[in-house]
Amino acid sequence: EIVLTQSPGTLSLSPGERGTLSCRATQSVAGRYLAWYQHKPGQAPRLLIYGASTRATGIPDRFSGSGSGTDFTLTISRLEPEDFAVYYCQQYGSSRGYTFGQGTKLEIK
Amino acid sequence: EAQLVESGGGLVQPGRSLRLSCAASGFTFDVYAMHWVRQAPGKGLEWVAGLTLNSANVGYADSMRGRFTISRDNARNSLYLQMNSLRPGDTALYYCAREALGGSYWYFDLWGRGTLVTVSS
Repeated sequence: EIVLTQSPGTLSLSPGERGTLSCRATQSVAGRYLAWYQHKPGQAPRLLIYGASTRATGIPDRFSGSGSGTDFTLTISRLEPEDFAVYYCQQYGSSRGYTFGQGTKLEIK
Repeated sequence: EAQLVESGGGLVQPGRSLRLSCAASGFTFDVYAMHWVRQAPGKGLEWVAGLTLNSANVGYADSMRGRFTISRDNARNSLYLQMNSLRPGDTALYYCAREALGGSYWYFDLWGRGTLVTVSS
């Protein structure tokens, strides 16, 4: 089973700064199987990125995804107040189903 | 507007059963694979189970296999999760999620807001 490890666990930044979130897999993950979500308390998770680098419909271009193999990155170029949330990476493991990283909490510094 | 609404959560004693439902609206339910994902208090997201559009293929997370059963009724646009032998560790917010169409990419493109299950005596 592929395990996803996200780092850092908590990222403290100010609005306007750049945020870089990491997702590392224990085995190689095909890019088309890698997605990122934003989750705020009391809300449904929101799809940000799929296929490692494709923004979902309606997602601002300050969000970008990159990476391949075992290392993937979500970058938020200029943080807006509404971007402070928990972010999860997710991979599809075929017959093993899906797995999520443990999440990165992006908090206001 | 496409929407998923979960129901059926509540307080249940350890060892008892509970059945969750997810009502889909605003899209053609029977062409999508569907899933359940949960989030325990203070924890991250955990995939629970999923099934294909015609229920031909079903999958479970290891810790849920044998206790939980996922099913769907395409005529009622509904997804279900039958949970048996519940444990305190099953306490979580349970989300219904839709898998994207196409088969080229794999992700969930629509989520509900969840239903809370609390397992406690």
